[in-house]
Amino acid sequence: SQQGEEDPQALSIQEGENATMNCSYKTSINNLQWYRQNSGRGLVHLILIRSNEREKHSGRLRVTLDTSKKSSSLLITASRAADTASYFCEEVGNQFYFGTGTSLTVIP
Amino acid sequence: EAGVTQSPTHLIKTRGQQVTLRCSPISGHTSVYWYQQALGLGLQFLLWYDEGEERNRGNFPPRFSGRQFPNYSSELNVNALELEDSALYLCASSFPGAGANVLTFGAGSRLTVL
Repeated sequence: SQQGEEDPQALSIQEGENATMNCSYKTSINNLQWYRQNSGRGLVHLILIRSNEREKHSGRLRVTLDTSKKSSSLLITASRAADTASYFCEEVGNQFYFGTGTSLTVIP
Repeated sequence: EAGVTQSPTHLIKTRGQQVTLRCSPISGHTSVYWYQQALGLGLQFLLWYDEGEERNRGNFPPRFSGRQFPNYSSELNVNALELEDSALYLCASSFPGAGANVLTFGAGSRLTVL
């Protein structure tokens, strides 16, 4: 399978804590994107990082990219109960592969 | 502005039947993508259409097919349904090409095969 993997598969934290999710991918990418999915609904785009970028911020989100290791991480700071969702990375190259996802639960 | 719309939202079929799922992209988006998400699993890339042409295809059997119409809407057809085809089918659209474009997803069509 060309599908990337995310780690951990599930993460449970207290509100206010930081959440870190990791993504490993397999192909050569043009960019990598992170999406969020609530309860089996459609995905919502969070942030895009290009292959020549190493770090990107958007609000409480921080994404890093290491193309030598083919890995990326998503950090959500000061988590809120509303952040409870599944988070997926997408590697965009000649095809479009999503990782297996991390299920995040933020406990109020 | 309307988002990506998919229909039907839910449907139940039996093994061996055929199903057609529909997707209308955001106005101005010419690329349409289809993904399959089985329960508890990640998204599996099915098909990518752009300007009416199939640009790329995931690792699915030929009974999964589709097309894109001149108005950029798209259909996904699945023939000879099998139990393992039960999944959420997600459609996404983007501006032309797939380079750095962000995908906008519809809410999905949930297919149950009995």
